[in-house]
Amino acid sequence: DAGVTQSPTHLIKTRGQHVTLRCSPISGHKSVSWYQQVLGQGPQFIFQYYEKEERGRGNFPDRFSARQFPNYSSELNVNALLLGDSALYLCASSWEGRQETQYFGPGTRLLVL
Amino acid sequence: GEDVEQSLFLSVREGDSSVINCTYTDSSSTYLYWYKQEPGAGLQLLTYIFSNMDMKQDQRLTVLLNKKDKHLSLRIADTQTGDSAIYFCAESLHTGTASKLTFGTGTRLQVTL
Repeated sequence: DAGVTQSPTHLIKTRGQHVTLRCSPISGHKSVSWYQQVLGQGPQFIFQYYEKEERGRGNFPDRFSARQFPNYSSELNVNALLLGDSALYLCASSWEGRQETQYFGPGTRLLVL
Repeated sequence: GEDVEQSLFLSVREGDSSVINCTYTDSSSTYLYWYKQEPGAGLQLLTYIFSNMDMKQDQRLTVLLNKKDKHLSLRIADTQTGDSAIYFCAESLHTGTASKLTFGTGTRLQVTL
């Protein structure tokens, strides 16, 4: 079985631009969470979605948004990019019976210049 | 409050045991996790322990939980060079309807020959 997949693997943007990151969960997992990992730190929770509904949001500005599709894949959107948004963005999926146990994808590394 | 702390660095010789420590602050955590991150990669779930347990063994990995002191440890027996990575401990917290993970800053394990 494939694990969590994310695309793209890397991208470079400039300040003020918009970015869309994509995630496909493990087959059978209906919950998707997004985390931001700045260099040298642990991941920080951004969003959790379950059955296309937002279940929770971390302490991130409204420039960050996400959605989940009927096939349980998800997109993370970031508007008006800042230099500080440069990070590894991690997607995790979990089974509905135990949403605490999250399996991570390889991440998308975003560099904002 | 939510705060997970880990020491930053640990160096061990190949074949020795490694012990990575973590303290957390939220006593309502249901599960506690250990993840491994290799350079440039996502997070690999290594093991987890339910908060009503005090020990869990999984092949070379042993997790000890002292709930009174809010202390978690990961012991890796017969440490190999392939174990060199950053190890994150994480606690699961329920915020409303979300299940989010709060991570420590990670412990870099260096295995020397």
